Amino acid sequence: NAGVMQNPRHLVRRRGQEARLRCSPMKGHSHVYWYRQLPEEGLKFMVYLQKENIIDESGMPKERFSAEFPKEGPSILRIQQVVRGDSAAYFCASSPRTEEAFFGQGTRLTVV
Amino acid sequence: GEDVEQSLFLSVREGDSSVINCTYTDSSSTYLYWYKQEPGAGLQLLTYIFSNMDMKQDQRLTVLLNKKDKHLSLRIADTQTGDSAIYFCAESLPNKLIFGAGTRLAVHP
Repeated sequence: NAGVMQNPRHLVRRRGQEARLRCSPMKGHSHVYWYRQLPEEGLKFMVYLQKENIIDESGMPKERFSAEFPKEGPSILRIQQVVRGDSAAYFCASSPRTEEAFFGQGTRLTVV
Repeated sequence: GEDVEQSLFLSVREGDSSVINCTYTDSSSTYLYWYKQEPGAGLQLLTYIFSNMDMKQDQRLTVLLNKKDKHLSLRIADTQTGDSAIYFCAESLPNKLIFGAGTRLAVHP
């Protein structure tokens, strides 16, 4: 059973471009979470999804950020018109139930 | 409120025990977690404790929970150089985990 797979591992975007981050949960896991980690800080919750549903997006910035977890395929975190402040590591976690969350290796986004 | 606090840095000698402390604010948390992060890597779940327990032991790891004081600790026995990493404490709330800023553990010979 492969772990949580995130790609790409590193992503460089120019200001104003779009960033698409992908997350494939562990087999059998129906809960997906996205977190953002700024340098030298802990992880901050962004959004919690189940298949085809956004359950909690209380940590998502109001503009430019969106997430989906379609019936088929990976979960996608999309950042439109990126700015330098979006540079961070973005982690996806999946779980079969609420008490265990397993994290991917992260996507490190750099906006230049 | 949602807040988890940890000391930022801990240095220990190889072979000694390490104790990493954490305080949290939400008394309704069901589970409390310890994660390990090595440079450039994701988070590895080390252990977690249910809120109605006060201790959990797993090989070299011992977790102590003082629910009255909202204090959680992680003890690593016989600390090795491979234990050098950042350790994150997290509390569970509905739909999310709240993380501390992490404690950087440095192990020296």
